[in-house]
Amino acid sequence: DARVTQTPRHKVTEMGQEVTMRCQPILGHNTVFWYRQTMMQGLELLAYFRNRAPLDDSGMPKDRFSAEMPDATLATLKIQPSEPRDSAVYFCASGLRGYTEAFFGQGTRLTVV
Amino acid sequence: AQSVSQHNHHVILSEAASLELGCNYSYGGTVNLFWYVQYPGQHLQLLLKYFSGDPLVKGIKGFEAEFIKSKFSFNLRKPSVQWSDTAEYFCAVNEAGNMLTFGGGTRLMVKP
Repeated sequence: DARVTQTPRHKVTEMGQEVTMRCQPILGHNTVFWYRQTMMQGLELLAYFRNRAPLDDSGMPKDRFSAEMPDATLATLKIQPSEPRDSAVYFCASGLRGYTEAFFGQGTRLTVV
Repeated sequence: AQSVSQHNHHVILSEAASLELGCNYSYGGTVNLFWYVQYPGQHLQLLLKYFSGDPLVKGIKGFEAEFIKSKFSFNLRKPSVQWSDTAEYFCAVNEAGNMLTFGGGTRLMVKP
């Protein structure tokens, strides 16, 4: 059963620490999305990649967030330094260009204290 | 840039009531349309999708949606809701080949 895998599922960290979230997209999918979900803002697109190249990261605070795809099987989202307002659930999703739906991972619940 | 609007933020229904959740999008070109559901504490799962053809799309769990191009709408319906349908529902639009944009979501609570 193909699925998007995110690690860790939960992360509690102190303000100022670096946080790295990882995502393994479904094998063969060439598009990866990072979303952030909060009660106040709902579901926000942070960045998305196609064939490992970033196509749009305008939703991501550039001063502290970075997203990469070191290879086709791994996407990472880093926050450095983390702040309490970064507390949210971060979802990764993958799909095929254009005409199929995005498949979501279980999310990483981040709490910054 | 495309945008997606879900006008109902919170909906409360009793079991067996009928459901209709509104979704409107702004993009005038070719779009693919989706409804996702997020059960409490879980990730988003696809309910149904529209790419082309019959504008009335049937999905899982008795849900259906109708694409009305002239109204830029893709409303979700279910004739009779169950308590287990309590969840948050997201409409999404993919401007063919590009990023997936989500609406703000509608929280549905079904009272037993």
